[in-house]
Amino acid sequence: LAKTTQPISMDSYEGQEVNITCSHNNIATNDYITWYQQFPSQGPRFIIQGYKTKVTNEVASLFIPADRKSSTLSLPRVSLSDTAVYYCLVSEDSSYKLIFGSGTRLLVRP
Amino acid sequence: KAGVTQTPRYLIKTRGQQVTLSCSPISGHRSVSWYQQTPGQGLQFLFEYFSETQRNKGNFPGRFSGRQFSNSRSEMNVSTLELGDSALYLCASSLGGGRSYEQYFGPGTRLTVT
Repeated sequence: LAKTTQPISMDSYEGQEVNITCSHNNIATNDYITWYQQFPSQGPRFIIQGYKTKVTNEVASLFIPADRKSSTLSLPRVSLSDTAVYYCLVSEDSSYKLIFGSGTRLLVRP
Repeated sequence: KAGVTQTPRYLIKTRGQQVTLSCSPISGHRSVSWYQQTPGQGLQFLFEYFSETQRNKGNFPGRFSGRQFSNSRSEMNVSTLELGDSALYLCASSLGGGRSYEQYFGPGTRLTVT
């Protein structure tokens, strides 16, 4: 069975870079690793996804090592509005069942 | 473009009853997935439908079922409700063509079972 592990919470200050890591094992070898952001009373919002190495878009970067046993979401220069819960999403090897991480609550302070 | 809509937004049911939740995906999206979110278990995948066929399924009992219509709208049904079914039920849509998990979520239906 696939298993994911994320830190429960992280604190940061405005303008800093934040890195959130999700550890995952037994994930599908040919599927994307995806990250979502969720604000209270809203559905999750897609941030970024990648298969391997590094992916960057206008809001974040995603680093995936060659063994794909972890992935790190990097948020450059966070602002107060980045305070939210961040989830990784992977698919389980063989079954492709989707597994969300338990979420990391990021608090950005002024 | 309109986002994913879910109806109803809130629902209160009694143990033993059944419930049907509805989801309208973004126009042009052919995949619809359903998730259950609770404080204790977090976000859990229920199932995914693509072109009216269930393409993937999570580890939920048979009381949880779904279907997708030809216009990609989807419904989820829970029969014989239990107290533990109280949760936020989220629907997400995507283009669905490949193995991308770039999904767009609706606001959810908050189900309370008493």
